[in-house]
Amino acid sequence: GQNIDQPTEMTATEGAIVQINCTYQTSGFNGLFWYQQHAGEAPTFLSYNVLDGLEEKGRFSSFLSRSKGYSYLLLKELQMKDSASYLCAVRDSNYQLIWGAGTKLIIKP
Amino acid sequence: DADVTQTPRNRITKTGKRIMLECSQTKGHDRMYWYRQDPGLGLRLIYYSFDVKDINKGEISDGYSVSRQAQAKFSLSLESAIPNQTALYFCATSDLGGDTDTQYFGPGTRLTVL
Repeated sequence: GQNIDQPTEMTATEGAIVQINCTYQTSGFNGLFWYQQHAGEAPTFLSYNVLDGLEEKGRFSSFLSRSKGYSYLLLKELQMKDSASYLCAVRDSNYQLIWGAGTKLIIKP
Repeated sequence: DADVTQTPRNRITKTGKRIMLECSQTKGHDRMYWYRQDPGLGLRLIYYSFDVKDINKGEISDGYSVSRQAQAKFSLSLESAIPNQTALYFCATSDLGGDTDTQYFGPGTRLTVL
C-alpha cells in the first residue's frame, strides 16, 4: 500500500529553526508537495520538489531525496504565526496526491 | 475575492437527508477535486474531474456523487447523509497547463450529520 509518514506533533521556540520530516512509500513518484494548514482553514501551498536537492523560498526550504523516499521542510526564524499543521503529499504514478496526516507545529515564545 | 469558494461554509443536517456542497472557482483551472478531512487522517480524495466531461472516482467515493456543471463549478452530493460523513470537506483546483499541477484549496465546508 501507499504510505506517507510524518511526526504527529512538534514543538519549537520562536526565533529558532525546526525541521519536519516526511517519508513516503508510493507507487511511483511525480513530485512532492508541502502545504501549511492553520486550524479550521484551507491548506495553502508552500513548496514543490520533483528533483533531489534543496528548494529555498524565504524562511522555508524543502529537501528531497528520491532514493531514500524522504523529504523535509525546514522553517527558519520561527514566528508565532507559523503555528499550524504542515502536510506532506506525494503525487504517485497515477498522478494522484497521497497525503500524510500532517504535523502539528506548536511555537512557544 | 477568493479564487475558490465553497458554499455553505457550515452545515448541520440529519441522517438520511440529501445534501449538496458547491464549489466555484475563478482561477480558470481545468481540474477540480473534492476531499474530506478527518482528525488524525490525511486528506482523502472523493472525486475529481479533469474537465467538464470527465468525472473520476477517488479513494472514498461510496455514498457521494458529483456534478461538473461548468468549468468553474463542481458540486458534491450526499444522497442520504450518515453520521460518519461528518467531516471537513475541501474543494481544490489545479491547472492542467501549469508546471507543477499544484492544487489550490477552497475555504472548506464543515458538515455535521446528526
